Amino acid sequence: GESVGLHLPTLSVQEGDNSIINCAYSNSASDYFIWYKQESGKGPQFIIDIRSNMDKRQGQRVTVLLNKTVKHLSLQIAATQPGDSAVYFCAEIQYGNKLVFGAGTILRVKS
Amino acid sequence: DTEVTQTPKHLVMGMTNKKSLKCEQHMGHRAMYWYKQKAKKPPELMFVYSYEKLSINESVPSRFSPECPNSSLLNLHLHALQPEDSALYLCASSQRLAGVQETQYFGPGTRLLVL
Repeated sequence: GESVGLHLPTLSVQEGDNSIINCAYSNSASDYFIWYKQESGKGPQFIIDIRSNMDKRQGQRVTVLLNKTVKHLSLQIAATQPGDSAVYFCAEIQYGNKLVFGAGTILRVKS
Repeated sequence: DTEVTQTPKHLVMGMTNKKSLKCEQHMGHRAMYWYKQKAKKPPELMFVYSYEKLSINESVPSRFSPECPNSSLLNLHLHALQPEDSALYLCASSQRLAGVQETQYFGPGTRLLVL
């Protein structure tokens, strides 16, 4: 869950297209994962979560996929809107309910 | 209602000042957390309180002193900070059900600038 430098990866998508944001997690023992959205000047906002006994979970316009074999999470956003522009963080819950964040991805939606 | 509130929104302080950050939740959550977030970085855990007792201190310098006066309130007392402590300080809370890993809900943060 350590950041990997000063420059966050950026995903630019056209309004209306689908977005896929990827995340690799570090601890194979982690069994609960959360995606957060953070808009400029705000705190992280819960989007969707998934436990390790599932490989897919759907919400409103969002889907999270979990591949435990390669320790990979993805967040899919359908019909991306300008209001989806933000930094997206995956996070894994470790021992003691300790939340460890991934580096983050900037999503930019072009109108 | 998943609201966590934090005050103040912005704080500027000198290195000799003493100030406090406040966090409040009324969701009946029994775990509360402080995180520090530098620009273009993910939040990093500082402290965890569970049932008003400090359960995790991530080797945070003693110039940061947390306090949990009751189950709804969490404070972070600041003293003799350094300019590199300038960051967004985030509070979060979760239910704290035994044996269950839980979602943490975040407040909007306090943007701190140390001069």
